[in-house]
Amino acid sequence: EAGVVQSPRYKIIEKKQPVAFWCNPISGHNTLYWYRQNLGQGPELLIRYENEEAVDDSQLPKDRFSAERLKGVDSTLKIQPAELGDSAVYLCASRRWDEQFFGPGTRLTVL
Amino acid sequence: KQEVTQIPAALSVPEGENLVLNCSFTDSAIYNLQWFRQDPGKGLTSLLLIQSSQREQTSGRLNASLDKSSGRSTLYIAASQPGDSATYLCAVQGAQKLVFGQGTRLTINP
Repeated sequence: EAGVVQSPRYKIIEKKQPVAFWCNPISGHNTLYWYRQNLGQGPELLIRYENEEAVDDSQLPKDRFSAERLKGVDSTLKIQPAELGDSAVYLCASRRWDEQFFGPGTRLTVL
Repeated sequence: KQEVTQIPAALSVPEGENLVLNCSFTDSAIYNLQWFRQDPGKGLTSLLLIQSSQREQTSGRLNASLDKSSGRSTLYIAASQPGDSATYLCAVQGAQKLVFGQGTRLTINP
């Protein structure tokens, strides 16, 4: 089966610009996660979806971050406007039973 | 709040050695524990998942143990190879949420 797909793989933007990341989970996986991983740290959860419903977004900085999963399949995470501290790797994952499967991530650099 | 700690932060050993990576967590009310591998610039690859009712899991040269009562897990790698060089992350699952440690960066020297 195909894995979790993310795009773009790399993104460099100026601060205050908007940016969007896209994720397509493994087919049939209803649960989708977005994580942020800072350099030298483990991933931290930003938001979890069950189908199209965001069931845990307590860690999402809602003043500048937004996410959607309109048809319960692929998802988009947006940052507007980006700040220097947003530079990180943004990982998407989907879940089957108890196991999470991760995509390759998008490495964001904000200049 | 669950906290996960991995020791050591970095480890460098010669090829062929057996080694142990450690993971500790503060809240023993977990559903499972998962070990991941992350290569530079890549996503996470799941290595082993141990349910809270299990004591260990094995896959090839990897063996992971779980002692829920003491809040500890170990990942044992037998006969290490240069291709094992990567960052290893443990994560504990509680209430649908994975909490990660900061990882151990492993280097196997030929």
